[in-house]
Amino acid sequence: DTGVSQDPRHKITKRGQNVTFRCDPISEHNRLYWYRQTLGQGPEFLTYFQNEAQLEKSRLLSDRFSAERPKGSFSTLEIQRTEQGDSAMYLCASSSLGFGDTQYFGPGTRLTVL
Amino acid sequence: GQQLNQSPQSMFIQEGEDVSMNCTSSSIFNTWLWYKQDPGEGPVLLIALYKAGELTSNGRLTAQFGITRKDSFLNISASIPSDVGIYFCAGNNAGNMLTFGGGTRLMVKP
Repeated sequence: DTGVSQDPRHKITKRGQNVTFRCDPISEHNRLYWYRQTLGQGPEFLTYFQNEAQLEKSRLLSDRFSAERPKGSFSTLEIQRTEQGDSAMYLCASSSLGFGDTQYFGPGTRLTVL
Repeated sequence: GQQLNQSPQSMFIQEGEDVSMNCTSSSIFNTWLWYKQDPGEGPVLLIALYKAGELTSNGRLTAQFGITRKDSFLNISASIPSDVGIYFCAGNNAGNMLTFGGGTRLMVKP
């Protein structure tokens, strides 16, 4: 399977705990994106990387959120001190600059904060 | 918040019927995309449109990039039960963030 993969697919945590999600993009895609989707809504942009550089962050990305893409390949999204309002589907997408930059999504990580 | 108005919000149709949904924006976009999402899964790309006025087909799906660059529509012909899902439009500028519509939930009655 050469698509975008995400791990874990589901995460249940207690309020106040830290969680980390991983995204592996389509190989050789140099752009990687994180989105958040709540029930009944379309995905909302959080942040994106071109290679290892984080180029844009949404105002939705509070100080408790941090994303990294250390070697320009996989990325991690960490949420510290989770709150119930963080419960959502976290989606990762990747694209290749110069090939229409079309974004392809992974299956998502469903986070439930109790 | 979201800038794209997608309609209708939901549709309940008979198998074999044609479906039409559209998306409008107050802003211009350089690229329009249509995705389908099944419950618990990520959005799957259906059609990408890169040029104003472009009309593109993918099997039973046809989408158009509006000439004003502020709208797009998606048609599905001869719907089948596996067409059930939520369809999202998305606009893109400058190759970074996608702005999504609120989705159209399609239900097909066999």
